[in-house]
Amino acid sequence: AQSVTQPDIHITVSEGASLELRCNYSYGATPYLFWYVQSPGQGLQLLLKYFSGDTLVQGIKGFEAEFKRSQSSFNLRKPSVHWSDAAEYFCAVVPYSGAGSYQLTFGKGTKLSVIP
Amino acid sequence: NAGVTQTPKFQVLKTGQSMTLQCAQDMNHNSMYWYRQDPGMGLRLIYYSASEGTTDKGEVPNGYNVSRLNKREFSLRLESAAPSQTSVYFCASIWDRVTTEAFFGQGTRLTVV
Repeated sequence: AQSVTQPDIHITVSEGASLELRCNYSYGATPYLFWYVQSPGQGLQLLLKYFSGDTLVQGIKGFEAEFKRSQSSFNLRKPSVHWSDAAEYFCAVVPYSGAGSYQLTFGKGTKLSVIP
Repeated sequence: NAGVTQTPKFQVLKTGQSMTLQCAQDMNHNSMYWYRQDPGMGLRLIYYSASEGTTDKGEVPNGYNVSRLNKREFSLRLESAAPSQTSVYFCASIWDRVTTEAFFGQGTRLTVV
């Protein structure tokens, strides 16, 4: 079955430390890939997306993500975390084609806490 | 402001009552979605409408119905609410599934007692 997995439920980092949030997908072909962020009590905001081409994608707020086809992964990174980055992060996918190709599916999310 | 508008923002229902969550977007988007968000479960797709006139089931459609009234509006109906439907519901819309991001409403917090 098609799926998107975020293995880490909760991550805590110190302000200024680097961050990597993991995302793995299981689809027949490489899907379109997204990272969203949700602050408490808010809706979701797009951080970045990958469709094709350069496998290192830059997003807003200093985030980047790297697509690795061999590992079916799309991990989110940030070199230096700020306290305002504390939020919940969701990886999402849309199948490239075929049945359900408009089905935008989210992972279960990773909650990020930042220690001042 | 342009965007996705959900109503109501909060609702308390008794078990067995019915209600309709409304969603409207003014961005001329083609596709619209309804999700529910529960702690530790992320966002789970209930129904979606790839284009006006079409609707499809998502991951958790049981107990819900939808109507794509026109290109702007996509409503979610609970015919007989159950406590298991206590959740935060989000509506989203996309102009094109590939090139544009999904825009989300602010959510409806529903409690079924």
